[in-house]
Amino acid sequence: QSVLTQPPSVSGAPGQRVTISCTGSSSNIGASNEVHWYQHLPGTAPKLVIYENNNRPSGVPDRFSGSKSGTSASLAITGLQAEDEADFYCQSYDTSLSAWVFGGGTKLTVL
Amino acid sequence: QLQLQESGPRLVKPSETLSLTCSVSGGHFTSSYYFWGWIRQPPGKGLEWIGSISYSGSTYYKPSLKSRVTISVYPSKNQFSLRLSSVTAADTAMYYCARTTVITGRAFDIWGPGTMVAVSS
Repeated sequence: QSVLTQPPSVSGAPGQRVTISCTGSSSNIGASNEVHWYQHLPGTAPKLVIYENNNRPSGVPDRFSGSKSGTSASLAITGLQAEDEADFYCQSYDTSLSAWVFGGGTKLTVL
Repeated sequence: QLQLQESGPRLVKPSETLSLTCSVSGGHFTSSYYFWGWIRQPPGKGLEWIGSISYSGSTYYKPSLKSRVTISVYPSKNQFSLRLSSVTAADTAMYYCARTTVITGRAFDIWGPGTMVAVSS
C-alpha cells in the first residue's frame, strides 16, 4: 500500500480536461513538502512533468499543470491528446520516514 | 547534457545479492545540490523508491528495505551503486537510477533508461 493515494485510472476524450488526485498526510504533503508528477510510458524511463507542486520543466507543454492544498495535490491535463496516454505518478518526501515516497500510479486512457 | 546509465547482471539467484552500478556522464556529479537514487518497478506494479545517497555519502533508505540495501558513491568514477542482499522473486523488477536535486524540491529530474533484473534459479 502506497503512502500517497491515487485513483487507479482516469479517462477522457481528446480535447477534454482530466485531473488526477494524490492524497497524502501531515508527514508528507501536509508537512509542506513539495509534490512532483511523472509521466511513464511503457518501455521508457519516467519523465518529470511537474515539480514543486506547479512548475513545468523545460519542454513540458503548458497543458500540464499542478496544484496542492493541505494534504492533497492534483495534476490537470487540458486539451487531452492521444500521446498523453500513460501512467502518472505523484511523489513527495515523507519527513517522518525520511523517505522519498510515490503514489500507486494512475493509468490515463484517452478514449 | 547529464546522462545516467545502469549496468549489472540481469539474472540473480534467490538468496544472493543483486548488484547494480549507475554511471553518470555529461555533467556535475560532486555537487551538494544533488542526491543520487535508485527506484524500481516490479512487473505490473508501481514505482518504488529504494534509497538515495549524496555525493558525500549520506544515505537514505526505504524503511522496509533498509536491512538489505546498501548504496555507495564513487565520486572519482562518477558512479554510485546498489546492493540488495537476500533477494527473492519479489525483487524482480525494472531498476532505475535517477538524480534528485534540492533545486527542484527533491524531484527525480533525470533518469537512466532502466535495467530489468530477474531473480530466478
